[in-house]
Amino acid sequence: GQQLNQSPQSMFIQEGEDVSMNCTSSSIFNTWLWYKQDPGEGPVLLIALYKAGELTSNGRLTAQFGITRKDSFLNISASIPSDVGIYFCAGTASGGSYIPTFGRGTSLIVHP
Amino acid sequence: NAGVTQNPKFQVLKTGQSMTLQCAQDMNHNSMYWYRQDPGMGLRLIYYSASEGTTDKGEVPNGYNVSRLNKREFSLRLESAAPSQTSVYFCASSEVTGPYEQYFGPGTRLTVT
Repeated sequence: GQQLNQSPQSMFIQEGEDVSMNCTSSSIFNTWLWYKQDPGEGPVLLIALYKAGELTSNGRLTAQFGITRKDSFLNISASIPSDVGIYFCAGTASGGSYIPTFGRGTSLIVHP
Repeated sequence: NAGVTQNPKFQVLKTGQSMTLQCAQDMNHNSMYWYRQDPGMGLRLIYYSASEGTTDKGEVPNGYNVSRLNKREFSLRLESAAPSQTSVYFCASSEVTGPYEQYFGPGTRLTVT
């Protein structure tokens, strides 16, 4: 099946710092999705991207669909303690199943 | 509008016992999914249902069965639970034709002793 590499695996940062994480795939994707999972909860969709080069913001979060269509990036600006959680990328491959493939997640810890 | 609901929230089973995890969605979505989440492994697809009356295996189907009872409900059954099935189970739903955004339930935390 499709392979998604998500990095970093975990991040420990101070409140107020900016955060960057990314996902790369072994094939071309036509959809990229970013989810956040709060401790003890299910994943919640943050941002959906559908076109190469697309840059979309949701508050302090900004995600980009890479122009090669094999990667995507998520940035969080001015982190706050409630940003703590696991961030997952997911995507659907061009010509493949409509079911997204998920990355293994980036665990974010924010120290006050 | 509750979205995706799951029952129970927590469950402890002994090896060999059976149980059914319930899932329902009120978003009129055609597709529904069952995932398991283990530490460091992300979300792995167990089974999915593209529409009422159809089910298909995902990445890790062994030891599980599913039933798409109607458009709203999709259940996951463990016939003979094993310790390797200790995990957090998530149900999700989406449209088939796109956008392919999945909406998740709150999860069932299952421990098999």
